[in-house]
Amino acid sequence: EAQVTQNPRYLITVTGKKLTVTCSQNMNHEYMSWYRQDPGLGLRQIYYSMNVEVTDKGDVPEGYKVSRKEKRNFPLILESPSPNQTSLYFCASSLLGQNSPLHFGNGTRLTVT
Amino acid sequence: GENVEQHPSTLSVQEGDSAVIKCTYSDSASNYFPWYKQELGKGPQLIIDIRSNVGEKKDQRIAVTLNKTAKHFSLHITETQPEDSAVYFCAASNMKTSYDKVIFGPGTSLSVIP
Repeated sequence: EAQVTQNPRYLITVTGKKLTVTCSQNMNHEYMSWYRQDPGLGLRQIYYSMNVEVTDKGDVPEGYKVSRKEKRNFPLILESPSPNQTSLYFCASSLLGQNSPLHFGNGTRLTVT
Repeated sequence: GENVEQHPSTLSVQEGDSAVIKCTYSDSASNYFPWYKQELGKGPQLIIDIRSNVGEKKDQRIAVTLNKTAKHFSLHITETQPEDSAVYFCAASNMKTSYDKVIFGPGTSLSVIP
C-alpha cells in the first residue's frame, strides 16, 4: 500500500531534550516536506526536499533541522525543543514537487513542557 | 507572497443539504488550486484540484469553481453525508516551477448533522 509513515504518533517531552520524528514514504517520490498545523493557521511549511541531499527552508524553519540521506526518509529534528513547538506535525511527499498532489502521513502530536 | 483566506471557519449542515466553502487568494500568478480533506486523526487527503485554464471541475458530489478575475475559488459539496464531516483546506500556488510553494488556507470544519 502506498503510504507515508510517521513515527511516533504522540510525543511528550521537556524543554531542551533533543528529539527526532521519522518520516518514510514507499512511493519513490522525489519531493518530501514537513508541515506544522496550528489552530486557525492551517498548514505551514517547515522544510522541504526536492531530492536526496537537497533541502530548503519553508516558512517556519526556526528551531528545526532536516536531512535527506536516502530518497525514502526525511526525518525532522528538534535539537532543543521549546513549548512554542508544541503542535501537530505532518510529513508529506509528492511525485513532482509542491504543485502535484501531496500525500500526507497521519501526523505526530508533539507536546513540549 | 501569496495569502489564502478561507470562509467560513466552521460550517454545520443537515444531511442531504449542500455545503459551500469559499477561498480567496492574493497572488494573481497563482494557477493551481487543490482542496484537501482532513478526517479526525488523519493527515489531509487531496479530494479535488483545479488549474487556472478551467473555470469549473466536478467529481461526483464535489465541485470546485474558480473566478480568476475576482481571485476566488469555492468548494461545493452536494447531498452531504455524515462521512463528509471533516476539516477542509484550500490551497493556492504558482505552477511555474516545482519550487513554488503551496499556501494553505486556515481550514473549515464541516459538520454534517444526520
